[in-house]
Amino acid sequence: GAVVSQHPSWVICKSGTSVKIECRSLDFQATTMFWYRQFPKQSLMLMATSNEGSKATYEQGVEKDKFLINHASLTLSTLTVTSAHPEDSSFYICSARDFGSTDTQYFGPGTRLTVL
Amino acid sequence: RKEVEQDPGPFNVPEGATVAFNCTYSNSASQSFFWYRQDCRKEPKLLMSVYSSGNEDGRFTAQLNRASQYISLLIRDSKLSDSATYLCVVNPGGRGGADGLTFGKGTHLIIQP
Repeated sequence: GAVVSQHPSWVICKSGTSVKIECRSLDFQATTMFWYRQFPKQSLMLMATSNEGSKATYEQGVEKDKFLINHASLTLSTLTVTSAHPEDSSFYICSARDFGSTDTQYFGPGTRLTVL
Repeated sequence: RKEVEQDPGPFNVPEGATVAFNCTYSNSASQSFFWYRQDCRKEPKLLMSVYSSGNEDGRFTAQLNRASQYISLLIRDSKLSDSATYLCVVNPGGRGGADGLTFGKGTHLIIQP
């Protein structure tokens, strides 16, 4: 199946710093990528839809100025958590939709963010 | 009412047994349905799509009841490796297929030797 990578796989940072997470589709082009967040014992929650070449669409309750999304190419989307706080500590997972062949979303391995 | 509801379990089942989970969804306009599997601290992986006619993939059988808005997953001859969290997932649709997925909280399954 298609492969989606995320980098870094885990990060620990101090409160107030910004953290950038990359999501790449390695063997297919993805005009649309999605960013999810999962807190312990909770379901994955969609944060935003990232569209190549245009602005991201954010879900209700997700601050667009805090979670900056850039989708500059067909294989790369980035999520930047700005001025991170301990409550932003979570498991961030991206997915990419392969419109080329199937309707399936492929998930990256996730990034575990811990803000001290 | 939550969009996708599942019994969180855990379901403790002996190896070789048959186990079934259900989930219900609130959006009657939902377009497509899936079961994903998530292992501890890992990303979810697609187990199978769910079709109205019901579908089977080896030991796994999925059913969809649109009228009652529920989805089921049946696992036969369970293996130790089936231990995981099973996520009921709905694609709300309606935007040309460009929607993010809606996940249930998951049902935790533990297969015991």
